[in-house]
Amino acid sequence: DSGVTQTPKHLITATGQRVTLRCSPRSGDLSVYWYQQSLDQGLQFLIQYYNGEERAKGNILERFSAQQFPDLHSELNLSSLELGDSALYFCASSPGQVSSYEQYFGPGTRLTVT
Amino acid sequence: ILNVEQSPQSLHVQEGDSTNFTCSFPSSNFYALHWYRWETAKSPEALFVMTLNGDEKKKGRISATLNTKEGYSYLYIKGSQPEDSATYLCASAGNNRKLIWGLGTSLAVNP
Repeated sequence: DSGVTQTPKHLITATGQRVTLRCSPRSGDLSVYWYQQSLDQGLQFLIQYYNGEERAKGNILERFSAQQFPDLHSELNLSSLELGDSALYFCASSPGQVSSYEQYFGPGTRLTVT
Repeated sequence: ILNVEQSPQSLHVQEGDSTNFTCSFPSSNFYALHWYRWETAKSPEALFVMTLNGDEKKKGRISATLNTKEGYSYLYIKGSQPEDSATYLCASAGNNRKLIWGLGTSLAVNP
């Protein structure tokens, strides 16, 4: 158990809908990272927050947005969902904002868009 | 090299064999190199983070080396056990501090 929690574990929704994925980092960690893992693809970095502020952006679509709240939990919002958005979404946390810290991954949310 | 490349893509070994995998990454503007172990139906778990050229790290039977000048890292597993079966991911960060992930090496250890 990494100490990172993600909810829900599974989500099934229809195209065009909007969903929110939630992540609570390990106690004391200030950075939260969001990743997408699609079938036959590696981990794709989406976005990083550090202590409430956006720190780095990766391959995140404009239909997706995220935020980190004062209690450090984070939410990833996915809107106008398409079939291709079906994937495993991981959240990870680390103590600092730079990539010399190891990341602790949550169990992931499996999103299925039908 | 613009991306992080891992080889081989998959590997099957017998219990007790020693094995190693390669991670190649952009050598310019290098900042950090991560290795993770990802078991089926679980989430990735950090093994090592290395930042200095020549770094060598060890955790039990698993060790890793880093060559930042030529842009590669090796992960070694000594005396593989069935519980070592997993996908081993590496990720590299440059000056922009963003991690770029390889596709992983899938290891299967036969008892």
